[in-house]
Amino acid sequence: GENVEQHPSTLSVQEGDSAVIKCTYSDSASNYFPWYKQELGKRPQLIIDIRSNVGEKKDQRIAVTLNKTAKHFSLHITETQPEDSAVYFCAASKSSSNTGKLIFGQGTTLQVKP
Amino acid sequence: DAGVIQSPRHEVTEMGQEVTLRCKPISGHNSLFWYRQTMMRGLELLIYFNNNVPIDDSGMPEDRFSAKMPNASFSTLKIQPSEPRDSAVYFCASTWVSGSGEAFFGQGTRLTVV
Repeated sequence: GENVEQHPSTLSVQEGDSAVIKCTYSDSASNYFPWYKQELGKRPQLIIDIRSNVGEKKDQRIAVTLNKTAKHFSLHITETQPEDSAVYFCAASKSSSNTGKLIFGQGTTLQVKP
Repeated sequence: DAGVIQSPRHEVTEMGQEVTLRCKPISGHNSLFWYRQTMMRGLELLIYFNNNVPIDDSGMPEDRFSAKMPNASFSTLKIQPSEPRDSAVYFCASTWVSGSGEAFFGQGTRLTVV
C-alpha cells in the first residue's frame, strides 16, 4: 500500500525566512497530494493541494512542487510569520477512485520565531 | 453545513470499558475516514468507507476495534475492551470521492483510557 515519508520532523525558522518541507510517496498511481495545517488543539485543515498533471502550484506565500518521476513533493512557505507556526502534514491518494484513501506523512512541527 | 461533527469531544474511560465514537459526515459526501492521532505515530488511517461500504480496514489495529456506517449520515468507531494504549485523538473526515479530493476533518474526540 501507499507509504508517505515526511521530513524534517521539526523546523525552526526566523520570521521572514522561508521554510521547506519535503515528502516522498511510494505508490506511483497516487495522483492527489494535499497539504494540511494543524494548529495546536485543532483539526487538520487543507492549505494547498496539487494533482499529478501539474508540476507547481502557488497560493500567495505558499507553493507546492511535485516531481512525479522521483515521487516527491514539497511545500514552500515564504516570508514566514509567527501565525505559520503549526504542524504541517503532507498526504497522498488516488483521488477519484474507489480506493482513494488518504495517507498522511508523519508531520512537521514548524516554529517561526519573531 | 456545520461540517463534520464528532461526539463526544472528550472521553475518559476505565480500562476494559467499551467506547463508542460517533461521526456525522458533511451532507452529500460519500467517503468517510477514521484516523487516530498520537505523538509517536502521527495520523494513522484506521478505516475508509465509500458509499457506506468499508473499502479498507487494514489500519484497524486489533479485533478490539470495529467501525460501522449504517447510512450516509452516520458512522461509529467502537473499541471493546479499551486499553490505556488506545488513548489518542480520533478524527473522522469526509470527502466527495469524485470531487476536489479535499477531506474535511471533524473536531476530533480525545480519548483517555485510565
